[in-house]
Amino acid sequence: GAGVSQTPSNKVTEKGKYVELRCDPISGHTALYWYRQSLGQGPEFLIYFQGTGAADDSGLPNDRFFAVRPEGSVSTLKIQRTERGDSAVYLCASSLHGGVNTEAFFGQGTRLTVV
Amino acid sequence: KQEVTQIPAALSVPEGENLVLNCSFTDSAIYNLQWFRQDPGKGLTSLLLIQSSQREQTSGRLNASLDKSSGRSTLYIAASQPGDSATYLCAVRDNAGNMLTFGGGTRLMVKP
Repeated sequence: GAGVSQTPSNKVTEKGKYVELRCDPISGHTALYWYRQSLGQGPEFLIYFQGTGAADDSGLPNDRFFAVRPEGSVSTLKIQRTERGDSAVYLCASSLHGGVNTEAFFGQGTRLTVV
Repeated sequence: KQEVTQIPAALSVPEGENLVLNCSFTDSAIYNLQWFRQDPGKGLTSLLLIQSSQREQTSGRLNASLDKSSGRSTLYIAASQPGDSATYLCAVRDNAGNMLTFGGGTRLMVKP
């Protein structure tokens, strides 16, 4: 596609429920990143995929968070037993490859609200 | 651990002014620095990417400089316009990993 696409754009869920957030990267981009942005703050790194594998998941806050990218394209961020503190905008980015000098392109984000 | 700070946190200027946004980072061992724009409720739009070997990059009315040794970058916006109102974020990619570390952003408002 023309850009990074994230769905849904907004998600409201009840505390304790399970949610899935989807990211469609730019076609041909092998590197994919998930970030979380709380109100008034900059994005914080969660996880980085190179192809199908998670090359770095050091930013995932706890074991309730999990992400997959089974075919090396679309990625899903999964959050179990959601808590009110999980409310944030979840941003996905992709780059052509995982090289450190490549530019990252971001999607519009999914605003998650846990009530 | 890399830390990125942006000053000021918020800025309000009249239309037409030239302005400078500041970004500092604690670990100078970076590969590149990227400036982004974020409109309310939207994602990030890449403005400029400066490689560690470069001193500056220009795009239209925007000019970004990088002083890696002192851990600083500035984004210069010439002849500001109301349409420039947004949050500006800087982010560095460093040797510790392949992720970007972001500053908290500067919220800019340009008044007509």
